[in-house]
Amino acid sequence: EVQLVESGGGLVQPGRSLKLSCAASGFTFSNYYMAWVRQAPKKGLEWVATISTSGSRTYYPDSVKGRFTISRDNAKSSLYLQMNSLKSEDTATYYCARQGYYGCPFDYWGQGVMVTVSS
Amino acid sequence: DVVLTQSPATLSVTPGERISLSCRASESVDTYLHWYQQKPNESPRLLIKYASQSISGIPSRFSGSGSGTDFTLSINGVELEDLSIYYCQQGNSLPYTFGAGTKLELK
Repeated sequence: EVQLVESGGGLVQPGRSLKLSCAASGFTFSNYYMAWVRQAPKKGLEWVATISTSGSRTYYPDSVKGRFTISRDNAKSSLYLQMNSLKSEDTATYYCARQGYYGCPFDYWGQGVMVTVSS
Repeated sequence: DVVLTQSPATLSVTPGERISLSCRASESVDTYLHWYQQKPNESPRLLIKYASQSISGIPSRFSGSGSGTDFTLSINGVELEDLSIYYCQQGNSLPYTFGAGTKLELK
C-alpha cells in the first residue's frame, strides 16, 4: 500500500524558514517524480514543486521560485520542501504527492501538513 | 499559464441522476487533463487521468471525455458519497494548474 506521511508543519513568523518532510513507503520511491501541492484555507489546489527521480531536475511556479527548494533522499525514501522567506500567503495545507513523470497526474497524496505564517 | 475554468461552481444534485461537470482550458492541453475528488477534510483523490482513462478502485459511474480545450467529467447515477469538490488539473505545460473546483451539494 502506497503511503505518504508529511511532517514539519507549524506556526512560523513572516520572513522565517521551515522545512517539510514526506516519508514514502509501499512503492519504489526512486522510480517516481514527486511533488508538493498546497491548499490555502477554504481555497483550491495550487502546485508548488516537482522533482525528478534523481533529483537533478526541479520545477516551480513563479509564486515560490527562489524561495522554496524541493529535494529528495532516495536512500531514505523521503521528500523535502525547504521554505524560506515565508509570507502570509504561504499559509496552507501542504500535500506530498506522487507524480509518475513529467505531466503525469498526482496519483497518490499524503494526508497533508498545515503551515501557518503569522506574527 | 493555462487557466482552467470549471463550471458550474456549485451543482445541486439528486441521488441517482446523471450529471456532467465542465472544465475548459485557455489553450490546448491535448489530453493532459486529470480529475480529482476532494471530500471534506480529506486529501484529494485521483479520479480520471488523461481526460478519459479510468483509475483502479474508482467506481465505474465516473467517466471523463474531451481533448484540446473542452473536457467533461460525468457521474452516471450520483450517490450521496459523491458529494465533494471536483477539480481538474492540466499537466501539459508548466506551471501545472488546477481549476477552481465544482462543488456537488444535495438538492
